[in-house]
Amino acid sequence: GAVVSQHPSWVICKSGTSVKIECRSLDFQATTMFWYRQFPKQSLMLMATSNEGSKATYEQGVEKDKFLINHASLTLSTLTVTSAHPEDSSFYICSARGPASTDTQYFGPGTRLTVL
Amino acid sequence: SQQGEEDPQALSIQEGENATMNCSYKTSINNLQWYRQNSGRGLVHLILIRSNEREKHSGRLRVTLDTSKKSSSLLITASRAADTASYFCATDEGAQKLVFGQGTRLTINP
Repeated sequence: GAVVSQHPSWVICKSGTSVKIECRSLDFQATTMFWYRQFPKQSLMLMATSNEGSKATYEQGVEKDKFLINHASLTLSTLTVTSAHPEDSSFYICSARGPASTDTQYFGPGTRLTVL
Repeated sequence: SQQGEEDPQALSIQEGENATMNCSYKTSINNLQWYRQNSGRGLVHLILIRSNEREKHSGRLRVTLDTSKKSSSLLITASRAADTASYFCATDEGAQKLVFGQGTRLTINP
């Protein structure tokens, strides 16, 4: 089946630093990936749509200069949280649409970010 | 925006019983997907049902879709302790974007 990985699985950083999270489709190519954030005991909120070779599309209310997304290849998208603050602490999850002709999205295992 | 509303928010049943979760949405959809999430983990895809389908089965899972009522249900039969998790419905509004419901926290008691 289609597998999506994320790295790191958890990260603790100091306030003001930047953190990069990687999302990889391991056995298929993904022209489009998605980034979500999830607060404890809440649902997933879509942050942005990452398109290979072009700029990401951000959802309303998500600061594009704060959350930098790069989709440099068909198997890798990165999310960089710049100048992180404690309120950015959250669970970040990426997903990728499965191989051609499927509408199923496959999710990575998530990255737990804690900003001190 | 959060489109889906799930009901109940939390459900606790005995092992072996059936669990039913409901999801309602507001706009037209291409398909509706159900996912499971264990605590602190990523999402596992369970079932996708298209807008022109009314019912779908996968093992102990049964999903129904009523587009006239803009609602879906997920039934888990003969529940097991390992089914304890949060369950989310997600609607595909087009452009491949998924909008998630608030989720149902299911607890199966041994």
